[in-house]
Amino acid sequence: KAGVTQTPRYLIKTRGQQVTLSCSPISGHRSVSWYQQTPGQGLQFLFEYFSETQRNKGNFPGRFSGRQFSNSRSEMNVSTLELGDSALYLCASSPISGANVLTFGAGSRLTVL
Amino acid sequence: AQSVSQHNHHVILSEAASLELGCNYSYGGTVNLFWYVQYPGQHLQLLLKYFSGDPLVKGIKGFEAEFIKSKFSFNLRKPSVQWSDTAEYFCAVIGDYGNNRLAFGKGNQVVVIP
Repeated sequence: KAGVTQTPRYLIKTRGQQVTLSCSPISGHRSVSWYQQTPGQGLQFLFEYFSETQRNKGNFPGRFSGRQFSNSRSEMNVSTLELGDSALYLCASSPISGANVLTFGAGSRLTVL
Repeated sequence: AQSVSQHNHHVILSEAASLELGCNYSYGGTVNLFWYVQYPGQHLQLLLKYFSGDPLVKGIKGFEAEFIKSKFSFNLRKPSVQWSDTAEYFCAVIGDYGNNRLAFGKGNQVVVIP
């Protein structure tokens, strides 16, 4: 059974650019959550999608957005990149939404120059 | 909102030593608790979880954790560590059952010296 797949694994952008990250959940999983991991702040919740609807959103500015498609795949977008957006972005999937065990992907490592 | 505190961010110990990592959470209601592990170069993996029932839960690789409700704690233990236990360990909590919004602690970087 394939795990959570995130693409791209590594990317480098410059300030002001935008970036789109993709996540394919485990087959049959309908909930996808996104987290930002940095050395200083640790793991912080970005948002969760379930059945193409955003269920919850963390304390991030509006530059961070996401969406989920009918096949449960999800994308997140960060516009007008800042140096502080450099981080590992983790996607996690779960069968449903509601206090479940999350299975994480390997992450997308974003570096903003 | 729920929050999680992990102390002693960096832990260095020798093989065969015992390990205990503290985790305290703040949330007034019923919670689900987790420990995740991130080995060097690998993704986050579930080590163990507590949803209900026996407050002493056993996970993979000989790890266990004890939920003490009165202390809002969920400490992780392993009696005898191995070099392969070198990793970062994260405690996490979900207090709101309506979503999958995990609150993570800052993590414990554990280095086991052979």
